[in-house]
Amino acid sequence: QQPVQSPQAVILREGEDAVINCSSSKALYSVHWYRQKHGEAPVFLMILLKGGEQKGHEKISASFNEKKQQSSLYLTASQLSYSGTYFCGTDTGNQFYFGTGTSLTVIP
Amino acid sequence: AAGVIQSPRHLIKEKRETATLKCYPIPRHDTVYWYQQGPGQDPQFLISFYEKMQSDKGSIPDRFSAQQFSDYHSELNMSSLELGDSALYFCASSNTRDRDGYTFGSGTRLTVV
Repeated sequence: QQPVQSPQAVILREGEDAVINCSSSKALYSVHWYRQKHGEAPVFLMILLKGGEQKGHEKISASFNEKKQQSSLYLTASQLSYSGTYFCGTDTGNQFYFGTGTSLTVIP
Repeated sequence: AAGVIQSPRHLIKEKRETATLKCYPIPRHDTVYWYQQGPGQDPQFLISFYEKMQSDKGSIPDRFSAQQFSDYHSELNMSSLELGDSALYFCASSNTRDRDGYTFGSGTRLTVV
């Protein structure tokens, strides 16, 4: 039931783009995206709701394919501050699960 | 803006002792969630409350219990602590009507020795 993320880890240079994917085996009501730095709490980035509504960070975009139960997070022109572990969270309406996580490292 | 407040930040307990973690959600948030995160792992859902009633239960051991009080703060009670209970415990809150994401507290780092 836990959504699977890919890639597991990625290393970028500043200014490069990245895509993180999240795939669920269950029908989804919404998908959340969070970033967590080591030893800190996860920070909410974005929510994508069934039906197309989105709320979240201005500089980060994401897509939600309801039929395929998949979501992708797009990070463009990455900055050093983007480093961290990214988790998707899937809401089936009854349960919420964090994904397996993607470690993203941005280097100068 | 007010955030989710957790206390204590750090806690060291011995095996078989008990621990109580506290969480004060953001005002107007109607749902509180508890998560356990081991080193290098993703957060594991323990339990949630909606309007002071337990709404969902995850992988919470029977040794643990939680409740939400009339002022909306929540407590996670952990008994007969084991070494494997050492982890970061996060509380998060949300307002289901706003359909925003969860706001997490800074967490309580529990170390069982």
